[in-house]
Amino acid sequence: NAGVMQNPRHLVRRRGQEARLRCSPMKGHSHVYWYRQLPEEGLKFMVYLQKENIIDESGMPKERFSAEFPKEGPSILRIQQVVRGDSAAYFCASSYQETQYFGPGTRLLVL
Amino acid sequence: AQSVSQHNHHVILSEAASLELGCNYSYGGTVNLFWYVQYPGQHLQLLLKYFSGDPLVKGIKGFEAEFIKSKFSFNLRKPSVQWSDTAEYFCAVIPGGTSYGKLTFGQGTILTVHP
Repeated sequence: NAGVMQNPRHLVRRRGQEARLRCSPMKGHSHVYWYRQLPEEGLKFMVYLQKENIIDESGMPKERFSAEFPKEGPSILRIQQVVRGDSAAYFCASSYQETQYFGPGTRLLVL
Repeated sequence: AQSVSQHNHHVILSEAASLELGCNYSYGGTVNLFWYVQYPGQHLQLLLKYFSGDPLVKGIKGFEAEFIKSKFSFNLRKPSVQWSDTAEYFCAVIPGGTSYGKLTFGQGTILTVHP
């Protein structure tokens, strides 16, 4: 059973561009979570999704950030018009029950 | 809002030393508690978890943690560390009674073990 997959592992964008981060949950997991890890900080919750539904987006910045988990395909975290402050590691986790299993993360660098 | 505190930002030990990493949370109700480890360049891996029952839980690689409800603590321990335990350790909490939801993480503790 493959683990949580994330791609790309590293992403470089210039200010103003869009970043799309993908997450494929573990097989059989229908719950997906996104977390952000800023330098020198712990992981901060961003959003929790089930198939075709956003359950909790209390950690999402109000502007430029969006997430989806369509019926088919991976979950996508989209950041529009990136700024340098968006540089961070973005981790996806999936769960079947209480325990969340994490992917390897996408390290976003905004130049 | 609930929060998780890890008191030590960086711990440096020699091999064979004993380890205890502190974790306290602020949440009045039932909680589910986790310790995750992030080895250099790798993703977070679950070390152990506590949902209910015996407050002393054993995890992988010889780690254990004790839940002390009266102290709102869930400290991680290992009697004898190895160089390969060098990593960052995160304590995390999720409100109990809910099967799903956001994890609230502590700031992390970097453990460096010298051979």
